[in-house]
Amino acid sequence: GQNIDQPTEMTATEGAIVQINCTYQTSGFNGLFWYQQHAGEAPTFLSYNVLDGLEEKGRFSSFLSRYKGYSYLLLKELQMKDSASYLCALMDSNYQLIWGAGTKLIIKP
Amino acid sequence: GAVVSQHPSWVICKSGTSVKIECRSLDFQATTMFWYRQFPKQSLMLMATSNEGSKATYEQGVEKDKFLINHASLTLSTLTVTSAHPEDSSFYICSASGYSGIPNEQFFGPGTRLTVL
Repeated sequence: GQNIDQPTEMTATEGAIVQINCTYQTSGFNGLFWYQQHAGEAPTFLSYNVLDGLEEKGRFSSFLSRYKGYSYLLLKELQMKDSASYLCALMDSNYQLIWGAGTKLIIKP
Repeated sequence: GAVVSQHPSWVICKSGTSVKIECRSLDFQATTMFWYRQFPKQSLMLMATSNEGSKATYEQGVEKDKFLINHASLTLSTLTVTSAHPEDSSFYICSASGYSGIPNEQFFGPGTRLTVL
């Protein structure tokens, strides 16, 4: 079967750096997505990793280790608007997205 | 590119009535559309997957007679919640795939908030 784990909630300070981890177990893998979702809104795409390594995109970076079944989303220079839920989603062998429960990130001044 | 719209953005209805939600891909042909439901403080739950011109595939536990899905064209899918009840109140989100350098990437609509009184 498939399973995705990510922390329920994290708190960080404005201007700091935070790393949100995602671990998964799956028999088929076609990539891992990170989405940001503000309350009451639909998810917005942040990153996609299909090969091992780090993908950097501005203040956000995403890392993948397929062997370890592990990914993280790194957010730098945190801003208040980064307060949101961050969803880790695995694309399985049928190209269907399997969603984690999401990590609620709270940014404090 | 890759814009998906949903209509309406929110709807309030009486118990027992039916509600139709539209999902449109505005600038690409969506070979597959997905319907999700999200309850407060929970993650997205896939309800069904639909391909243009064929019947939708429903996830386990989702009543196909209650949640009618029609994917009549490559740019439009509709979800009809029939005989809605208060427990159907939720945030319904559609997504579409068929346009991207990332295979089968899903592009999300803005969501529809349904409140059943």
